[in-house]
Amino acid sequence: GENVEQHPSTLSVQEGDSAVIKCTYSDSASNYFPWYKQELGKRPQLIIDIRSNVGEKKDQRIAVTLNKTAKHFSLHITETQPEDSAVYFCAASYGGSQGNLIFGKGTKLSVKP
Amino acid sequence: EAQVTQNPRYLITVTGKKLTVTCSQNMNHEYMSWYRQDPGLGLRQIYYSMNVEVTDKGDVPEGYKVSRKEKRNFPLILESPSPNQTSLYFCASSFSQGGSYEQYFGPGTRLTVT
Repeated sequence: GENVEQHPSTLSVQEGDSAVIKCTYSDSASNYFPWYKQELGKRPQLIIDIRSNVGEKKDQRIAVTLNKTAKHFSLHITETQPEDSAVYFCAASYGGSQGNLIFGKGTKLSVKP
Repeated sequence: EAQVTQNPRYLITVTGKKLTVTCSQNMNHEYMSWYRQDPGLGLRQIYYSMNVEVTDKGDVPEGYKVSRKEKRNFPLILESPSPNQTSLYFCASSFSQGGSYEQYFGPGTRLTVT
């Protein structure tokens, strides 16, 4: 079946440093790639997404890049802050439906003050 | 307030006792999904629905049933729960807006099967 691989599973950075999380996907028909942030004890929430006709998207300190040829996409967080500490999930649409997502296993990001 | 609600939020039950977890959204979304979240395994899709009376299996459908008789409701049914279904369950809904299919998650239901 289709899958999404996410790396690393844990990431620890110093406040102010950058953090990068990488994902690869298997479904060539995937065309929607969201990233979700889940704080401890809370529900996942969308932080940024990108469609397949766009190579890069930025929103303040976070950015996502997409390489369709290589089937991988990445999340970049600059100037990290302690409140960025959370679990981050990448996802990719599958089965030709953008409403249908398969998620990576998550990256636990810790930002040390 | 636009939201996805789930009930109950916490449930402890015994093996074999049928249970239903309800999910309701007030945003008129077409898509609804159920996920289970387990440590180290991320979010795995159980079932999804593209509209009323249209449902399909996700990655881990065994032991679960769903129905979509109304657009706003998407209950998850465990006919005969087993301990391996102990997990955190999330319902989510979404629709297309400007090319984005943001999924709105419910607050989660923590289920323990003994």
